[in-house]
Amino acid sequence: QSVLSQPPSASGTPGQRVTISCSGSSSNIGSNIVNWYQQLPGTAPKLLIYSSNQRPSGVPDRFSGSKSGTSASLAISGLQSEDEADYYCATWDDSLNGWVFGGGTKLTVL
Amino acid sequence: EVQLVESGGGLVQPGGSLRLSCAASGFNFSSYWMVWVRQAPEKGLEWVANIKQDGSEKYYVDSVKGRFTISRDNAKNSLYLQMNGLRAEDTAVYYCVRAMGVWGQGTTVTVSS
Repeated sequence: QSVLSQPPSASGTPGQRVTISCSGSSSNIGSNIVNWYQQLPGTAPKLLIYSSNQRPSGVPDRFSGSKSGTSASLAISGLQSEDEADYYCATWDDSLNGWVFGGGTKLTVL
Repeated sequence: EVQLVESGGGLVQPGGSLRLSCAASGFNFSSYWMVWVRQAPEKGLEWVANIKQDGSEKYYVDSVKGRFTISRDNAKNSLYLQMNGLRAEDTAVYYCVRAMGVWGQGTTVTVSS
């Protein structure tokens, strides 16, 4: 059971916009920044969004992040087949004194 | 180019020990928090431990406290994870991560008799 809650799966057709939610509490998302990671099959995770809504250089602007209260979300617009991957949210938890992850969302491009 | 290269994984019997290493290059290693994250087969990501730039602060997930020790050698640009009392549930790919941003390719630890 993960500290952060994500839907186990999401799907969309090419060109569509998809959002993935991440729900936490006041001790984690409510008081800290959120990172999002993309993990393509058989590879290491890659940072997609940091500080809740910032994109590292090289990440397309089709990917965006937001945070409100104790929830965060990742939006992917103009969905492409290469976006098919697992997506994880993560943040620091002040009560646990450690990083916590969501359980991951498997995105399927139909 | 920023690079993190893990090594030291392998097959070990329950109760055994392993020491993972992470060689860092392409950045000022001593300026960053460093982190170990693991992923059990077909499972999600789990934070294991992290260490401050000068090694003065260390944090661990409850399940490894008292068994694992994170350390670093800034002169050698290296991060370590000493794992003792290994259990089957420690079986995972272990990733070295720079400040929860840049990830290594991972090293596989299998605990089995």
